[in-house]
Amino acid sequence: GESVGLHLPTLSVQEGDNSIINCAYSNSASDYFIWYKQESGKGPQFIIDIRSNMDKRQGQRVTVLLNKTVKHLSLQIAATQPGDSAVYFCAEKRYTGRRALTFGSGTRLQVQP
Amino acid sequence: DSGVTQTPKHLITATGQRVTLRCSPRSGDLSVYWYQQSLDQGLQFLIQYYNGEERAKGNILERFSAQQFPDLHSELNLSSLELGDSALYFCASSVATGGEQYFGPGTRLTVT
Repeated sequence: GESVGLHLPTLSVQEGDNSIINCAYSNSASDYFIWYKQESGKGPQFIIDIRSNMDKRQGQRVTVLLNKTVKHLSLQIAATQPGDSAVYFCAEKRYTGRRALTFGSGTRLQVQP
Repeated sequence: DSGVTQTPKHLITATGQRVTLRCSPRSGDLSVYWYQQSLDQGLQFLIQYYNGEERAKGNILERFSAQQFPDLHSELNLSSLELGDSALYFCASSVATGGEQYFGPGTRLTVT
């Protein structure tokens, strides 16, 4: 069944197009940001992370951009595939004190064939 | 497969009851985190254990408690259940406190 069922913003893209998923965060003291992918019926899966002293990091088909001035994080997925359909969450944490993740509200990505 | 296991996968129970959710971390991971994912709250951190000791608390209700055993598996106990406790409960583990967290498949709790 649906893993989330949340009333989430939805991004619908055509297969092969690039996707950009955005996230605004509130804690300017966060040291570390992570993007997670959650497929239906599964737990969140790590995609890519970025430290707060960086503004860009690239992985395989994914790029994360961090703009600390406006507290904005984005995940770019190149050549989106049907298997990319999922809910995407950004998360943040600090290196000191509580190390648990604080998650954003998520975006549902739907890839149209 | 993250290597984190959770049981049971689904649980249906009545209001007022008590349940126990179980989590086995990845081999070698000492830290266990519990998260709740509900329709109106998203993913919320509940509590963290590291090598058997509580390390951090989040939005965990007093009716909920957890522990981590010497073999590093963890249990989340939910008591006096209410309809609003219906949610997905995820366990995550990491090698050390603060390390990358790997999530289990979750336990779906339905309180009727």
